[in-house]
Amino acid sequence: DAKTTQPTSMDCAEGRAANLPCNHSTISGNEYVYWYRQIHSQGPQYIIHGLKNNETNEMASLIITEDRKSSTLILPHATLRDTAVYYCIVRPPTFNNAGNMLTFGGGTRLMVKP
Amino acid sequence: KAGVTQTPRYLIKTRGQQVTLSCSPISGHRSVSWYQQTPGQGLQFLFEYFSETQRNKGNFPGRFSGRQFSNSRSEMNVSTLELGDSALYLCASSAVAGGLYNEQFFGPGTRLTVL
Repeated sequence: DAKTTQPTSMDCAEGRAANLPCNHSTISGNEYVYWYRQIHSQGPQYIIHGLKNNETNEMASLIITEDRKSSTLILPHATLRDTAVYYCIVRPPTFNNAGNMLTFGGGTRLMVKP
Repeated sequence: KAGVTQTPRYLIKTRGQQVTLSCSPISGHRSVSWYQQTPGQGLQFLFEYFSETQRNKGNFPGRFSGRQFSNSRSEMNVSTLELGDSALYLCASSAVAGGLYNEQFFGPGTRLTVL
């Protein structure tokens, strides 16, 4: 079972920031939070990941709460091309854990509107 | 670097047949994972290979199998195809460094239709 809870869908106006929330209240101390997105019928695309600290890259920012029970993915200036399903995933990082498996939930369907 | 490539991109088979799908990981990536995506079940993990060994397997029947070659390329096989096997099959590769898995990069998938 997926260890995350996300809203089923969200809308965002083009040019505005898109803030996608994720709850992961049972996250363990060594588990990372990963975000992927999937544009229709394509393979999922890695966006960003983090453990404790906030992270930023060229695509997005990831804000993780201090208790690590929730996080928010921020797309600072959403474009129509950001319309996709966004998946929040928690997983242990180490090779000695149970393999390199990502458990996908239902994700959030983000619709960016003109 | 070239991304993850999967062949073929589209495939049509009939019930009872078998199929083999191929995945070439990003150069230097030794971990290859396979996923099945259907409208009803979403994205589900099939199995993962590292250094030609299956390290983890999802909850799929034995008709689903895979292997990895010494060059890290991987194949998955589905025997005795059923209508419910129609899906997008995705391959992902990742590097392993310092005892940690890096992020997985996905290929475009193979769209399998079983008639």
